[in-house]
Amino acid sequence: DGGITQSPKYLFRKEGQNVTLSCEQNLNHDAMYWYRQDPGQGLRLIYYSQIVNDFQKGDIAEGYSVSREKKESFPLTVTSAQKNPTAFYLCASSIAGQGTYEQYFGPGTRLTVT
Amino acid sequence: GENVEQHPSTLSVQEGDSAVIKCTYSDSASNYFPWYKQELGKRPQLIIDIRSNVGEKKDQRIAVTLNKTAKHFSLHITETQPEDSAVYFCAASKKAGKSTFGDGTTLTVKP
Repeated sequence: DGGITQSPKYLFRKEGQNVTLSCEQNLNHDAMYWYRQDPGQGLRLIYYSQIVNDFQKGDIAEGYSVSREKKESFPLTVTSAQKNPTAFYLCASSIAGQGTYEQYFGPGTRLTVT
Repeated sequence: GENVEQHPSTLSVQEGDSAVIKCTYSDSASNYFPWYKQELGKRPQLIIDIRSNVGEKKDQRIAVTLNKTAKHFSLHITETQPEDSAVYFCAASKKAGKSTFGDGTTLTVKP
């Protein structure tokens, strides 16, 4: 299961606090992604990055922010503006380029905000 | 944007039977259709994928078929085993970085 890691596995925060989720990969992949997974729903794309120092909004970017300062790292900040932040967050990476390729997922972080 | 619908949401079969999960997509430009399996408490992992220039692909007990005209693709699992029990997600994408996932199918294989 090596290659892409997320920490921590469980995270608890009080409402109104920003929180940053970590995602690191050593697969030498150019592309990285953040998804949110809620019960009974699929994986919804929050942000993605095709290359260092560049990223794009996904389908549900409001209330989230990201940075991509290094190829290996793509941290996600859940801000206090996110109305319903409690969820399971999955990070993924893939070969970039013009084609479409398999995504490798991290083990996920379960965030609970009370 | 792309819309992917997946059916059924839950599926229960007896061990040894076949299971079929179907997905439809809306964007005719989509050209890559992966299937991911997520076991309880674990990360999704790719089990099979198909590209738009291929109609069918098999890997042992798993097969995927694609009908580009009708914009649907299906996952077929034969001779199901209890370890096939998991949530299965289909996805569609047309360029790197923008995969749209279905809502998932929870497959239960009863011994």
